[in-house]
Amino acid sequence: TQLLEQSPQFLSIQEGENLTVYCNSSSVFSSLQWYRQEPGEGPVLLVTVVTGGEVKKLKRLTFQFGDARKDSSLHITAAQPGDTGLYLCAGIRDAGKSTFGDGTTLTVKP
Amino acid sequence: EAGVAQSPRYKIIEKRQSVAFWCNPISGHATLYWYQQILGQGPKLLIQFQNNGVVDDSQLPKDRFSAERLKGVDSTLKIQPAKLEDSAVYLCASSFGQQINYGYTFGSGTRLTVV
Repeated sequence: TQLLEQSPQFLSIQEGENLTVYCNSSSVFSSLQWYRQEPGEGPVLLVTVVTGGEVKKLKRLTFQFGDARKDSSLHITAAQPGDTGLYLCAGIRDAGKSTFGDGTTLTVKP
Repeated sequence: EAGVAQSPRYKIIEKRQSVAFWCNPISGHATLYWYQQILGQGPKLLIQFQNNGVVDDSQLPKDRFSAERLKGVDSTLKIQPAKLEDSAVYLCASSFGQQINYGYTFGSGTRLTVV
């Protein structure tokens, strides 16, 4: 059973465009993390969101945790080629156990 | 701060052979995880250690996979015998505490190809 659904699976855009990717579940999580993974490397933590409705900004990236703590979104403003990668969300349950989604592969063309 | 070290980076073996992967976590990180990432999927937890004790190995295929962390520092993951479906990237991660809110630090992984 896939607890976390990420959409879209693939996204290809031009430099300068804005985009939003989504992470949805029917389960409630105590917190949720977003990672970015580049080819041949391990995932790198971008942010942790804990409170329902929380919004965090990291330069051009805006992360939101749903009010019910079942979903999250990542919005990128003015995407750059350096944003290219696989974006993974990981939901954490109360026991500290985590589940990763299958990710959104983003390609930003110059 | 040195990152999580993994070796080898790549390994190609024939089915039914055995293989071992090594991981050295960040100094001071008590919690160590092994993940399997099949192409096109997110990482799937295989086993979690807290110091040298196993916290969660519920998704480890114990008939062929084994892992140890004898001194609570570095760890090895072994597959014997390997199957074609074991082809994947094996990621090691460590964290300061058991609660994932600290965030994982991942190594670069070992890409295993079983032919």
